[in-house]
Amino acid sequence: GQQLNQSPQSMFIQEGEDVSMNCTSSSIFNTWLWYKQDPGEGPVLLIALYKAGELTSNGRLTAQFGITRKDSFLNISASIPSDVGIYFCAGRLDSNYQLIWGAGTKLIIKP
Amino acid sequence: NAGVTQTPKFQVLKTGQSMTLQCAQDMNHNSMYWYRQDPGMGLRLIYYSASEGTTDKGEVPNGYNVSRLNKREFSLRLESAAPSQTSVYFCASIKESTEAFFGQGTRLTVV
Repeated sequence: GQQLNQSPQSMFIQEGEDVSMNCTSSSIFNTWLWYKQDPGEGPVLLIALYKAGELTSNGRLTAQFGITRKDSFLNISASIPSDVGIYFCAGRLDSNYQLIWGAGTKLIIKP
Repeated sequence: NAGVTQTPKFQVLKTGQSMTLQCAQDMNHNSMYWYRQDPGMGLRLIYYSASEGTTDKGEVPNGYNVSRLNKREFSLRLESAAPSQTSVYFCASIKESTEAFFGQGTRLTVV
């Protein structure tokens, strides 16, 4: 089946550091979505991207839809303790409306 | 506005028992999905319903059945639970083939 490669798998960072994660695919997507999952909760949408090259911010979060339509990145600036969680990317193929999910990036902030 | 509501939140089953996971959404979305989440594997699609009255298999449908009871409700049934079905199950509804909204999850343990 279709796959998204999401990296890194986990990150250990200091509070205040910037964070960057990305997703790549061999397929072309028409939509990229970034979600965050807190422990014991379902994923919550952070940013949605609908156009190649689109750069969108949500507070300290910024995400971009790659020009090739095969990749996307998410940046978090000046991380804070509540940023801890698992971040998922998801892409939608041109050919259907199903979402393809990355395996997640676990963000851990060192005390 | 409750969004997506899943019940139960936790369940322990013995091997061979059956149960139904319930999901309801109040956002008037056409599409609803059932995923399972296992450590390090992201979200895997079990079944989905593109509209009321239709259901289709996803990536990992074996051992499950679904019913789209009406536009609001989409249930997932395990007829004979197996330990391999121990997982966290998420229901999601999709807004106009774009963003997915998730329930809080059902944590199922099969012993």
